[in-house]
Amino acid sequence: DTGVSQDPRHKITKRGQNVTFRCDPISEHNRLYWYRQTLGQGPEFLTYFQNEAQLEKSRLLSDRFSAERPKGSFSTLEIQRTEQGDSAMYLCASSSWAGVGTDTQYFGPGTRLTVL
Amino acid sequence: TQLLEQSPQFLSIQEGENLTVYCNSSSVFSSLQWYRQEPGEGPVLLVTVVTGGEVKKLKRLTFQFGDARKDSSLHITAAQPGDTGLYLCAGLNTNAGKSTFGDGTTLTVKP
Repeated sequence: DTGVSQDPRHKITKRGQNVTFRCDPISEHNRLYWYRQTLGQGPEFLTYFQNEAQLEKSRLLSDRFSAERPKGSFSTLEIQRTEQGDSAMYLCASSSWAGVGTDTQYFGPGTRLTVL
Repeated sequence: TQLLEQSPQFLSIQEGENLTVYCNSSSVFSSLQWYRQEPGEGPVLLVTVVTGGEVKKLKRLTFQFGDARKDSSLHITAAQPGDTGLYLCAGLNTNAGKSTFGDGTTLTVKP
């Protein structure tokens, strides 16, 4: 049973460029989450999907950020016109939500973004 | 906005010592998770607690969920250098979907 995978693990880009990250959740997990983490902070919620539906976006997520999960499996997170403040670790998590009970999230290894 | 405060922020101890870290909130959560994170990696789940007053043990780690489901503690007995890492707590309200994370406790265990 493979865990959550993310690609790439590291990305260095110049300010103003667009970047796209991919997340493959644990097989058959219906929920997928994106978080951002900066040094010395805990993960900060960005958005989440249940199957292919995007159910919530953080107000912190500017219009330059967009996420998709077109077939309810893998997801992509795109950042347009990157800024130095976007430099962070981008974490993906998935869970199996059955409508009741807990919704424990399992995290991938993250994508470290550096904007020069 | 639900906030989780973790204390202490940093903790440095000698191998063999015991320690407790805390996770406090003014909000009630449906469940609470503890994760351990190493530099450059994603958080790894340690435990989920659901019931107020619940105590769970994982080898030398003991997790407790407060009676009111607003706070939690993690106690490590006879700490080892391999316990070094960032310990994060995350509160979840099922209807909200997302988790709220604390900023973590950075633990260093010196040999």
